[in-house]
Amino acid sequence: NAGVTQTPKFQVLKTGQSMTLQCAQDMNHEYMSWYRQDPGMGLRLIHYSVGAGITDQGEVPNGYNVSRSTTEDFPLRLLSAAPSQTSVYFCASSYLGVGRSSGNTIYFGEGSWLTVV
Amino acid sequence: KQEVTQIPAALSVPEGENLVLNCSFTDSAIYNLQWFRQDPGKGLTSLLLIQSSQREQTSGRLNASLDKSSGRSTLYIAASQPGDSATYLCAVSIFTNAGKSTFGDGTTLTVKP
Repeated sequence: NAGVTQTPKFQVLKTGQSMTLQCAQDMNHEYMSWYRQDPGMGLRLIHYSVGAGITDQGEVPNGYNVSRSTTEDFPLRLLSAAPSQTSVYFCASSYLGVGRSSGNTIYFGEGSWLTVV
Repeated sequence: KQEVTQIPAALSVPEGENLVLNCSFTDSAIYNLQWFRQDPGKGLTSLLLIQSSQREQTSGRLNASLDKSSGRSTLYIAASQPGDSATYLCAVSIFTNAGKSTFGDGTTLTVKP
């Protein structure tokens, strides 16, 4: 069981370049999300999705786009990279939890380290 | 807006000590609260999940409690070991969107041999 898989693990971008961080989960979770974590800080929500075709903004959405065409995949696109987007990015997934006795434990990917120069 | 605070930011203890990590949140209308462990350079691993209707959860040497009325949760680690050294984060989710969670900044724990 692979869980949540993120690629790439490390990436260096030049200012103004675009790229896509990939995220896939094999647990049939409805909910997927992207967070960024800056040094010494907790996680801040970028975008999230409650199912295929449904996405919404989190706390820090500017400069990022997402789409959810399938239950399994939730890519994060950086439109025009800026040094302020240097961070560690985490993808996460969970059941929505409502009505589920199992609750909604969140499963995280291993992270993608992005440096924008 | 939900805010989550974790105190202390860092903690260093000798091996064998029992210790408590604190998490407070401003909006008591939560769906659940989770405690996570993060090792350097790694993702987050869920340790314990407490539903809003529960008071505590236990897993091995870990015990997490929840007091919704006061907006507090504690993570108790018994007989700490050097392998417990990591950053511990708590996260709360709200009723209106059970999957959307707000995280604290974490407590970095160092257990010295």
